Amino acid sequence: RKEVEQDPGPFNVPEGATVAFNCTYSNSASQSFFWYRQDCRKEPKLLMSVYSSGNEDGRFTAQLNRASQYISLLIRDSKLSDSATYLCVVNKAGKSTFGDGTTLTVKP
Amino acid sequence: EPEVTQTPSHQVTQMGQEVILRCVPISNHLYFYWYRQILGQKVEFLVSFYNNEISEKSEIFDDQFSVERPDGSNFTLKIRSTKLEDSAMYFCASRTRGDGTGELFFGEGSRLTVL
Repeated sequence: RKEVEQDPGPFNVPEGATVAFNCTYSNSASQSFFWYRQDCRKEPKLLMSVYSSGNEDGRFTAQLNRASQYISLLIRDSKLSDSATYLCVVNKAGKSTFGDGTTLTVKP
Repeated sequence: EPEVTQTPSHQVTQMGQEVILRCVPISNHLYFYWYRQILGQKVEFLVSFYNNEISEKSEIFDDQFSVERPDGSNFTLKIRSTKLEDSAMYFCASRTRGDGTGELFFGEGSRLTVL
């Protein structure tokens, strides 16, 4: 089983759509969780941290369920500029493990 | 805003040659990392470094690879004898905390092409 597993994608959605990405992790001792965004041939950049209480940043909402070892990212009112690959990242003892990424394409 | 810087941005080399990729982490960060991303594939952990020694390394990080922090600012990745399959984007990253709770800051990457 992969340490971090994401929806395979790709997701192709129209502008304005709501899209949700899911991620599961295998190590119950994992300590912290993040969503990163990666544009084509660029470095990953932090989108948001993920907390058990859920957190929201504008159109983006992230949720963590430790019992199910599950992380989600919801994007509302998708914009063309949201087109990218979204990476689920799980940290344990200083090491960050990346999921394969889910590619989102938002179309006009 | 402080950032991680990497050089070169792109290096082309012949198989069997040695390559050194350089990184300057954010100045107050203590934990340093190298990741690799083969074109079209996932970001893979290579090695973590703290207090002038390797904390953890992956299976990819074999005897052909080494890391060094030769001075107070640079953090280098050396590949002793490059293979075709070493062609990838290499990302350096740093964080303030090594306890697994902090965000990773990435450099823009060094693209290595082995011919």
